[in-house]
Amino acid sequence: TQLLEQSPQFLSIQEGENLTVYCNSSSVFSSLQWYRQEPGEGPVLLVTVVTGGEVKKLKRLTFQFGDARKDSSLHITAAQTGDTGLYLCAGVGEGDKLSFGAGTTVTVRA
Amino acid sequence: EAQVTQNPRYLITVTGKKLTVTCSQNMNHEYMSWYRQDPGLGLRQIYYSMNVEVTDKGDVPEGYKVSRKEKRNFPLILESPSPNQTSLYFCASSSPRDRECYTFGSGTRLTVV
Repeated sequence: TQLLEQSPQFLSIQEGENLTVYCNSSSVFSSLQWYRQEPGEGPVLLVTVVTGGEVKKLKRLTFQFGDARKDSSLHITAAQTGDTGLYLCAGVGEGDKLSFGAGTTVTVRA
Repeated sequence: EAQVTQNPRYLITVTGKKLTVTCSQNMNHEYMSWYRQDPGLGLRQIYYSMNVEVTDKGDVPEGYKVSRKEKRNFPLILESPSPNQTSLYFCASSSPRDRECYTFGSGTRLTVV
């Protein structure tokens, strides 16, 4: 059983559309991270959210940490083909242990 | 350039033949970790190391060994590989000042036949 559940598992959209990826857990985390992974490469950290209710923006990407620090979402506005990749959320728990979700594969079609 | 380097990138081997996947980082990080990534399961931690000569089991340590004789290197050893260890493996490191900021290697795709 996955500690962190990501949904949807796959997402295919047209360039210019918006998308949201969700990361949910029954556990509380001290912080939550989002990574993007491209084929043949390791995950690259996009953002860390720390405070319950926190919202962080990175250009067209908006990350939100739930008030109870159990869930998070990633919203991409006006998606571009370069946003294609596997998006992973990871919760930082006791002892700074990182637990990953299974990931959401995002495909942005031209 | 600050990086985590894994070798080899690809490896096909036979059941029972001992192998080592190397991992080296040039950032003077104390913390290093090994993960395996399987479809639908995300990344699962195999072993981690808080510093030289300090290693501990992660979530899926069975069938693996590690060593940390030097700060920069953290090899993953499969004494007797089996087909269920076919996977994509990642090494990662982080510094104590920013423990949550992990740098990952590019991965090693291992196939055991």
